[in-house]
Order: sequence, then structure tokens, then C-alpha cells
Amino acid sequence: GESVGLHLPTLSVQEGDNSIINCAYSNSASDYFIWYKQESGKGPQFIIDIRSNMDKRQGQRVTVLLNKTVKHLSLQIAATQPGDSAVYFCAEAKVAGGTSYGKLTFGQGTILTVHP
Amino acid sequence: SQTIHQWPATLVQPVGSPLSLECTVEGTSNPNLYWYRQAAGRGLQLLFYSVGIGQISSEVPQNLSASRPQDRQFILSSKKLLLSDSGFYLCAWSVGSSRAVGQPQHFGDGTRLSIL
Repeated sequence: GESVGLHLPTLSVQEGDNSIINCAYSNSASDYFIWYKQESGKGPQFIIDIRSNMDKRQGQRVTVLLNKTVKHLSLQIAATQPGDSAVYFCAEAKVAGGTSYGKLTFGQGTILTVHP
Repeated sequence: SQTIHQWPATLVQPVGSPLSLECTVEGTSNPNLYWYRQAAGRGLQLLFYSVGIGQISSEVPQNLSASRPQDRQFILSSKKLLLSDSGFYLCAWSVGSSRAVGQPQHFGDGTRLSIL
């Protein structure tokens, strides 16, 4: 079936640097994408989402970029802090013209480690 | 604001014993509800979803079942647990909608299930 995957399983950065976490998706029909942060022993926490009619969306210290041509999604975290250390998952869904229950397909995750 | 509760947080059960994990959502009506399983170091696998009371869809064949006896209550059950049922079980909710728009799913903090 269709899948969403991440280029890098681990990423280590210094505190204060910018982080970029990448995600490749294979379903060209996907039109909704989400990034989640998961800390150890907790459930995934919603960070930011983007619909396929956009190529960029910004939140607080985070930016999501969508390149539909190459089916690539990235999460940029500005001024990374030790508290950003976690596993980051991308997820995708096809919502337009399909069911409305919001089924998401998750990638495997990237471990982000921020060193003080 | 909406909140989601899962319990218990951890559970150790012998092989062959029954299982009941409960999830409740507050602060919203008619949500879509989901059960996921997450293996160690892996992404999330959707097990069941529900768009309304008594409406359950299963994503993968398995030893588990789900029920939704009330609008904001979702229960994951098994009659006889297997060793392979060990894992981290997550419940999530999203806005229920008859329109095909993307909505993020919001997760509880999970139940760590160990089968001995």
C-alpha cells in the first residue's frame, strides 16, 4: 500500500541551531499532511498541518514546507531547544473526494536530539 | 477545551487473559475516534476507527476488538491476549465532519501493555 517515510532516522543538532526534518510520501493523491512530536512515554502531539493547496505554512518557531512535485514534506524548527528533543512523525491523508473520517498514514519517525 | 483520557497508563497481563482499555474524550461532540498500536521505535498502526456510536471499522485483522458504547467513549478489548499484543496503545480523536476536510488527530498519552 501507500506509505510515508522519513529520509533520516536520527538528527543531532546543537542548541540554537535550526533543524530540518524531512519526509517523503508516495501517495500522490494525498492532500493533507501533519507533523507530530512524540516525547518518551507520551502520545504524539500535534505541531502543524498543511493542505495541498499550500506549499508553506508557519507556526511558532516551526515551518512546514510541501513540495508536491517531488512528494516531499519538511519540518523546520528555528532556534532548536533541548525541549525539542523527541521523535517527529509526518502523516498524510487523502481527504478530498474520499471519506471524511480523517484516516492518517504515519511515517516511521525521526529522532531529534538537541545538545546543550 | 477538548481533552482525551486513556487508562490505565501501564498494564501487565498474562497470556490468555482478557483486556479492556478505555478512552474518553471531553469538550466535543460526535468526534471521530481511533485506536492505534505503536511498536517500540516504530510508527503508528491504525487498528480501529469510529465515526459514531456503535460504528466500528477495523483496519487490520487481529486478536482485538473495539466498541463505542457512548459518543465520547472508545474501548479496546480482547478475550484472550497473545504475546504479540504487547505494545503501546494510543487513542485519538478528531473533529467529526460530513465534509471531506483535513483535521488533525489528537492523542492521549497511551497505555503501555506488556504480556507475560
